[in-house]
Amino acid sequence: NAGVMQNPRHLVRRRGQEARLRCSPMKGHSHVYWYRQLPEEGLKFMVYLQKENIIDESGMPKERFSAEFPKEGPSILRIQQVVRGDSAAYFCASSIPDRLTGELFFGEGSRLTVL
Amino acid sequence: AQSVTQLGSHVSVSEGALVLLRCNYSSSVPPYLFWYVQYPNQGLQLLLKYTTGATLVKGINGFEAEFKKSETSFHLTKPSAHMSDAAEYFCAVSDLRAGTALIFGKGTTLSVSS
Repeated sequence: NAGVMQNPRHLVRRRGQEARLRCSPMKGHSHVYWYRQLPEEGLKFMVYLQKENIIDESGMPKERFSAEFPKEGPSILRIQQVVRGDSAAYFCASSIPDRLTGELFFGEGSRLTVL
Repeated sequence: AQSVTQLGSHVSVSEGALVLLRCNYSSSVPPYLFWYVQYPNQGLQLLLKYTTGATLVKGINGFEAEFKKSETSFHLTKPSAHMSDAAEYFCAVSDLRAGTALIFGKGTTLSVSS
């Protein structure tokens, strides 16, 4: 399957621990986006990355959250010192750098539960 | 700034009835518009998109949407609902010329009864 791969699909953490969510984009895609989904709130944009570059992080909380997309390997969304309010589904999407289509391809999400 | 408003967080229809999911957008430049569908515990799948050209766009599973600039709307329709259409639907807007990501509405949950 050449789709967007996210892992883990489910992650349980206790308050104060760290959560790391990984995303491998579709083959040939160089742009990665992270979204957070909370019930009744839809998908909220968090961050947009290219290889080794953060393009737009306007949706990222100022503290505890960080994202990277290294030259080699998957993109990682890191949440330090998790709190209960971080419990959500986190979706990764990828795209080619084609401004004529704009289509994002989504993974199946990582569901974080903070106890 | 761009934004999307989906009117009605829940829509219920009978099998075989018309499906109409409403989406209005706000954009300072000509927008690119999308509808995505999400089935339980899955990611989002593209239903259809409008970028340029014909304002009536046909997508997968019999869905279509019409871009109406004067009404700043992009409503999603399907003539006859099927049980398998029950899912959550998201409208999204982007201005790719600015290199921005998609901005999503809050979603509409479609229920289909037999």
